Formats: sequence, structure tokens, C-alpha cells
Amino acid sequence: DAGVIQSPRHEVTEMGQEVTLRCKPISGHDYLFWYRQTMMRGLELLIYFNNNVPIDDSGMPEDRFSAKMPNASFSTLKIQPSEPRDSAVYFCASSLASRYEQYFGPGTRLTVT
Amino acid sequence: AQSVTQLGSHVSVSEGALVLLRCNYSSSVPPYLFWYVQYPNQGLQLLLKYTSAATLVKGINGFEAEFKKSETSFHLTKPSAHMSDAAEYFCAVSFSGGYNKLIFGAGTRLAVHP
Repeated sequence: DAGVIQSPRHEVTEMGQEVTLRCKPISGHDYLFWYRQTMMRGLELLIYFNNNVPIDDSGMPEDRFSAKMPNASFSTLKIQPSEPRDSAVYFCASSLASRYEQYFGPGTRLTVT
Repeated sequence: AQSVTQLGSHVSVSEGALVLLRCNYSSSVPPYLFWYVQYPNQGLQLLLKYTSAATLVKGINGFEAEFKKSETSFHLTKPSAHMSDAAEYFCAVSFSGGYNKLIFGAGTRLAVHP
């Protein structure tokens, strides 16, 4: 089985530009999570979905961040406009409702200059 | 409320020595406990999990962890460290009714010296 797929793997953009990160969860998984990882703040949960419905977005740092899950096999995390402090590695993870472990994608390294 | 504390942000061992990474949790309900490993420039990989079956859990790469309810601990061990074990290790807790959300510890970076 393919694991969690994220694209792009690396993104370099200029401040003020819109950035869209993409995630394909493991087929059949009910939950999808978006995380951000930085040296300063560690691993932070941004938002998570259950059956495509956002459950908790309290970790989204600002209104510049938004996430959608239009169907069970695709989710996006959008930053508009991007700022240098958004530079981080963004991970997507998915899990099955009956099991509690999460499976992580390889991450997207975002650099905002 | 659930929380996880990992004692020691950095641990250094010699190759062949015992690896012990400490994790203590706080949970008002029976917890599910996990250890994840993150190699440089990679995502987090599940190492092992405790879900209320056997208290001694064996994982990949020779790692194991023991759930001790009385001590609220879930320490990770490996009898003999390999150079390839150098990575960051995260302890995490979840619980029934928690929407599969994981509460992560801050992580412990393991260095292995020849």
C-alpha cells in the first residue's frame, strides 16, 4: 500500500505569495491531520478532519492559513499571503478510526524568503 | 487533560550500549501510547504502540517499551545501540473518544557514538 503522499516535497516562495500544500491520505483512513514542525516550536497540530469534516482548527496560527478536504482522498493546506515565519516542514498524517496510530507523510519543506 | 513529558532533549550513547529514552504521561482515562522515530529529513515513523494488551511492547529495529501504570511511564529501550539508531524519538498519547488525536512529547534526540 502507498503511504501518505504529500506534494510538493520542497517549496520556495517569496513573501506575499500564496502557497498550497497537498496531501493524499492512506486509502480507507477516516482521519487526516496537518502538522507543522520547526526547531523553535517543535511539532504543532494545526487542524484535523474526520470523514472530510474539520473537527478542530484551533492550532491554525492565523487567518492566513486555511485547510480543506473536498473528498476522502485529498486535502490542501493553503497559506495566503505567506510570510518568512511560515518557513517550516509541514506534515500530513492519517489514521483509521478503529486504530489510534497515525501514519505520516514525508513532509513538505516550505521556505518563504 | 492528557500530556506527555520526555525527560532529556538529548541523549548520547556509545555504539553497543543500552538505549533508554524516558517518557511519562498524564491521562485521566486509559491511554494509548506510542513511540515514533524521525530520521533526518523524513516524516515520523511508528516504532511501537501500547493499546491495553501486553504491557511489554516490542517494536521495529529491536526497540521495546514497557507500560507501567503505577509510574505513568512508557520508557523506550534497546539493548544495544547501532549507529543507524541516531534520530529523534517522540512519545505520544491518545485516548478513546479523543478523535484519534495524538499528544506528542517534545522529542529526544539520540546520538550514537562509535
